Parts: sequence; C-alpha cells; structure tokens
Amino acid sequence: QQQVKQSPQSLIVQKGGISIINCAYENTAFDYFPWYQQFPGKGPALLIAIRPDVSEKKEGRFTISFNKSAKQFSLHIMDSQPGDSATYFCAASKGGSQGNLIFGKGTKLSVKP
Amino acid sequence: EPEVTQTPSHQVTQMGQEVILRCVPISNHLYFYWYRQILGQKVEFLVSFYNNEISEKSEIFDDQFSVERPDGSNFTLKIRSTKLEDSAMYFCASRRDGINYGYTFGSGTRLTVV
Repeated sequence: QQQVKQSPQSLIVQKGGISIINCAYENTAFDYFPWYQQFPGKGPALLIAIRPDVSEKKEGRFTISFNKSAKQFSLHIMDSQPGDSATYFCAASKGGSQGNLIFGKGTKLSVKP
Repeated sequence: EPEVTQTPSHQVTQMGQEVILRCVPISNHLYFYWYRQILGQKVEFLVSFYNNEISEKSEIFDDQFSVERPDGSNFTLKIRSTKLEDSAMYFCASRRDGINYGYTFGSGTRLTVV
C-alpha cells in the first residue's frame, strides 16, 4: 500500500513533442505528490508538486494532472527539449511531521533533436 | 539559491569498515532526511529527523545505521561495518515546515564498498 507505481520505464520523444509519465498510488493518506527531475550524478530536484484538492497544476511547460478517484497522477512536458532529457521520479508523501517521500521507480526520458 | 551540501562526493571503503557521510542542510529547514539510490534503481527513504530525534525510519535503516546532528549545522549518517550491498548513492535532504513540504536534496555521496 506504500508503493507508487510509475510508467513507462523509459521514453523517447522528438523535440517539440509531448512527454507523458504516469503514476498510481494506493494509500489514500498521501496528500502531497511531487515530481523530481534527476540528471546523472546529481540529486533529485523538485520540478512541480500538487496536493489532492486540485486536479491540475501548470508551471511553464510542465503540468501535473491529478485524478483522486482513480488514485493516479501524471506529468506532461509540453514542447519537450533535449535539455529535458533526464530521469523523472514521481513521489508521494503523507503530511504532518513525517513527510518522507515514497518514490516511483523513475522514467528515463530522452528527447531527440 | 540555498543548497544542501554533502561531503564527500565519493567515498570508497573496505567491507566491514565504518563510514560517516556528512550533510549541511539549509539553515532554516527543520526536517532532515537520508535517502539512498542503488545504481539504476529508485530513491529509497532511510530516515527522517526532527527536533533532534528520529521521527521515522524504514526497514532498511537497521542497527547498522545511525544519524546525528552534532551541532547546529551538520547532519551525519554513520554506517557501521559496511557491506557490499551498502554501495549506493546517499542523498541528504531537508525541508522547511509548512504546507508546501518542499524538499531540497543534496548532490549525494557515492559510497562504494569493496
């Protein structure tokens, strides 16, 4: 019940295309859903996050869509660029003093020029 | 922009030795974490630390591991009697209190146990 399932494992997109990564969770106590971007040799960096009281959040080219009833959320990268090539992790956490993140297995995105 | 600083960036140790991984969290953050990432796998939670004590730990964080905040700035992870399977990237993270729960991760320490 603590798992976050992420798909696909890898994704190849042409420059200018839309990249879509999906995640699903089971624990309804999760109340914070961030997406992290990780470049080789670096730590995960927060990209965008959403709370379950909204269905969509957009920041620039990045959008999170959240479906509370289906317990699913997804990351959309519009106008994908070669510089977006990285590994993307979805995560979920419970609130309060804990807040430890449960990560998905990651999606390696390659954007071809 | 404030950063979480980790040292060393890479550590090689003999199996059975003790290692201490060091982190300097962002100064106004109250919650501190250690995560690890075995090569090519997902990031896994190890332990969280708040108000000078462990608030939660995963099943990975057994008696081999300990954490400490020896002064007002450093946060350390000690691994006693290292094993080959402890080889991983260890990330320190911190976050401030409040509704946004924003984490900041350090760049990690790559631990290689030989």
